[in-house]
Parts: sequence; C-alpha cells; structure tokens
Amino acid sequence: GESVGLHLPTLSVQEGDNSIINCAYSNSASDYFIWYKQESGKGPQFIIDIRSNMDKRQGQRVTVLLNKTVKHLSLQIAATQPGDSAVYFCAENSAGGTSYGKLTFGQGTILTVHP
Amino acid sequence: DAGVTQSPTHLIKTRGQQVTLRCSPISGHKSVSWYQQVLGQGPQFIFQYYEKEERGRGNFPDRFSARQFPNYSSELNVNALLLGDSALYLCASSPGGLAWETQYFGPGTRLLVL
Repeated sequence: GESVGLHLPTLSVQEGDNSIINCAYSNSASDYFIWYKQESGKGPQFIIDIRSNMDKRQGQRVTVLLNKTVKHLSLQIAATQPGDSAVYFCAENSAGGTSYGKLTFGQGTILTVHP
Repeated sequence: DAGVTQSPTHLIKTRGQQVTLRCSPISGHKSVSWYQQVLGQGPQFIFQYYEKEERGRGNFPDRFSARQFPNYSSELNVNALLLGDSALYLCASSPGGLAWETQYFGPGTRLLVL
C-alpha cells in the first residue's frame, strides 16, 4: 500500500548548522510532495512543495530534493535557527487513479536546534 | 487574511457520546479535508469535501461523517466515541481540492475521550 516514511526520527543540530531531513516514499505514482513543519500544539505549516517533474526546488533557507529513481525526498534547512525546532513531516499526494488531494504523511522527524 | 479556523480548540467527551467539530476554510477555498492525528504520528486522511460533495474518504468507520455548507465551512461528526478516537483533528483547505494543490491546515481541535 501507499506509505511515506522517514529514516531518522530525531535530529539535533547546533544553531547555524545546516539540517537535512530525509524521507522515503513507496508509491511510484506519487507526483506531488510537500514538507510541513508542526510546532507543539499547532497544525502543520506548509514549508515547500515539489512536483515530480522537478529534482530540486529552493525557498527561503530551505531546499527540497527529489530522487524519483530511489523514491527519496529530502529537506535541507540552511543556517538552522532555534525557531526551526519542530516536527517535520513529508507528505505525498498521489494523483494515481484519483484527481483529489489526499495527503499521506510520514511519521515525522523531530528537529532540535541547540543555541 | 485569516487562515483556516477550527472550533473548539479542546474538547473532552466520554465514551459513547457524539461530537461535532467545525472548520472554516481560507477565504476563496472551496475544498475542505479532515485529518486525524494521533499523538506521535502523522495526520491520517479522513474525508475531502468540495462544493458540498464528498470526494474521498479514508479508512475510517461509518461513525465518522462530515458535511460542507454553502459557505464552504465544514463539520466533522463522530458518533459513539471510543477511547481510541482521542486525537488532534485537523482541517485543511485548498482552492479546488485537487491532487497538486497545497493544503493549508488549521490549528486543530484536540479531542480527549474518557
């Protein structure tokens, strides 16, 4: 069945370092991927997305890389700040067989940034 | 502009009771989706509604139902509550509910079933 998983459940970094959060997906029909950030007591906050016809997309301090060959997604955060501490989820939205948006989330990675 | 809003923020119920959760989408968005997030896990898809019609349903029992109103707001109803229904219920909106559209989430309603 469809699943999206994360390799590392926790990640601790020092302020100013770059962070990399990884994600594996299993549905080769997935063509849209999203990274969300969730802080304690809040709903998921959109960070960045990428379509399957792209390998890389950059935002402000964040970059998402997509490797369709090995079905791997990563989120890179440059110059990580304490405010980046949160749980990060990758999600896939497969259009295979349907046209509506149904997100499948991974378990999440806890990012802790130490001052 | 206001984001997705949900009410109430917290709710405590007992087993067997019924609960109604409410969601207002971002202005201009016509699609609302509901997700359940159990502690320590990622959100799981429950329903998607677009233009008052159910477009998709996740693997949840018939105790879960929802509806969407002409103003695109939505309600999620859960009957005969079980302890395992305790979770954060998230609402997300998107313009047309399509597979390649970003879904924007509200703050959620935290439900505790005793």
